[in-house]
Amino acid sequence: SQKIEQNSEALNIQEGKTATLTCNYTNYSPAYLQWYRQDPGRGPVFLLLIRENEKEKRKERLKVTFDTTLKQSLFHITASQPADSATYLCVLGPSGSARQLTFGSGTQLTVLP
Amino acid sequence: EAGVAQSPRYKIIEKRQSVAFWCNPISGHATLYWYQQILGQGPKLLIQFQNNGVVDDSQLPKDRFSAERLKGVDSTLKIQPAKLEDSAVYLCASSFNLGTEGKLFFGSGTQLSVL
Repeated sequence: SQKIEQNSEALNIQEGKTATLTCNYTNYSPAYLQWYRQDPGRGPVFLLLIRENEKEKRKERLKVTFDTTLKQSLFHITASQPADSATYLCVLGPSGSARQLTFGSGTQLTVLP
Repeated sequence: EAGVAQSPRYKIIEKRQSVAFWCNPISGHATLYWYQQILGQGPKLLIQFQNNGVVDDSQLPKDRFSAERLKGVDSTLKIQPAKLEDSAVYLCASSFNLGTEGKLFFGSGTQLSVL
């Protein structure tokens, strides 16, 4: 069956360091993958989309990679700030019998001052 | 640009009672979604509308959940009767159209507690 996994543990890092979040999936071949940010009591907010033929995408301090062979996406936040503290959701585009977006359970990132 | 509006923000009911949630999407967005997010999990799609037609309701528990999008703009989601396991945040989202690589705009959600 199709499965999507993000970092199982919450991630704590020191301000100024690079945060790296991992998203692994099995039994999918999505045409694209998205990352969203979710703050407590709020809905998710779209950050980045990367397509299967793109290896890397950047936006300001954010960088996403997409390795369709490893079935993995990495999400990096460089020069992290306490304001980056939130839950980050990996989302797979439709694939096979999954006709809709499939959300991971998220990684809770805390950036310590 | 106004975002996706949802109400109420919080709702507490007893099991077997009914409840309704309202959503107004971003103006011009043809596609509207209702998601259920249980604490510690990612959102799970309940139903997707394209204008006022249902595109996908395969994960909607139809014995107790219903949704409508009359006139293809705002939408309501109803639960009747509620069960304890329905306690969750109900998120409404919209997108400009189908096939736009699924970029969704979410409302802040309604947090439902069923006692």
